[in-house]
Amino acid sequence: AQSVTQPDIHITVSEGASLELRCNYSYGATPYLFWYVQSPGQGLQLLLKYFSGDTLVQGIKGFEAEFKRSQSSFNLRKPSVHWSDAAEYFCAVVGSGGSNYKLTFGKGTLLTVNP
Amino acid sequence: EAGVAQSPRYKIIEKRQSVAFWCNPISGHATLYWYQQILGQGPKLLIQFQNNGVVDDSQLPKDRFSAERLKGVDSTLKIQPAKLEDSAVYLCASSRTGNPNEKLFFGSGTQLSVL
Repeated sequence: AQSVTQPDIHITVSEGASLELRCNYSYGATPYLFWYVQSPGQGLQLLLKYFSGDTLVQGIKGFEAEFKRSQSSFNLRKPSVHWSDAAEYFCAVVGSGGSNYKLTFGKGTLLTVNP
Repeated sequence: EAGVAQSPRYKIIEKRQSVAFWCNPISGHATLYWYQQILGQGPKLLIQFQNNGVVDDSQLPKDRFSAERLKGVDSTLKIQPAKLEDSAVYLCASSRTGNPNEKLFFGSGTQLSVL
């Protein structure tokens, strides 16, 4: 079965600083990988996704992520963080279970942005 | 387009009581998901519907949880009787066809507190 590990429970950065959120996955085949963001009191919103091709994917709000098969990682990055980026970020992987594809989430990384 | 609608927004009940949550997915979306998000954890899939049929309910505690999606549109998730450990946010999501490369659209969730 597939799994996702987000090693950092909570990260604090200053506004304008760069950001990298770590994600490691476990899945036997080529994974489908996602990053979602959850702002307080709101549902999850898709930031970006990777299925195949270019290992550097661009998403919304200036985020990007790089798929590294050798490291089983899919880290999320942003060159300059804005105060509005404060939220919880979830990495997720889709794995196959027979004819069904199940989205499995990590436990999330809470991002705090200092002014 | 209108998003995924969920109600109620909050619910507080005592243990052993019953509770029901309602979800109306985005119009035309064939696939509907119920996720349970316990504080400090990522969302966990409880049940997935394709139209009005169940695709995956392997993580649904069937002795107390039930869900239906009559007519393949809106859905109801019920807990009877509730336990303290059911305290969580229950998220509903939908996607157009259920293909693994598709984006999921999430509702804002129902926050359940079991006392």
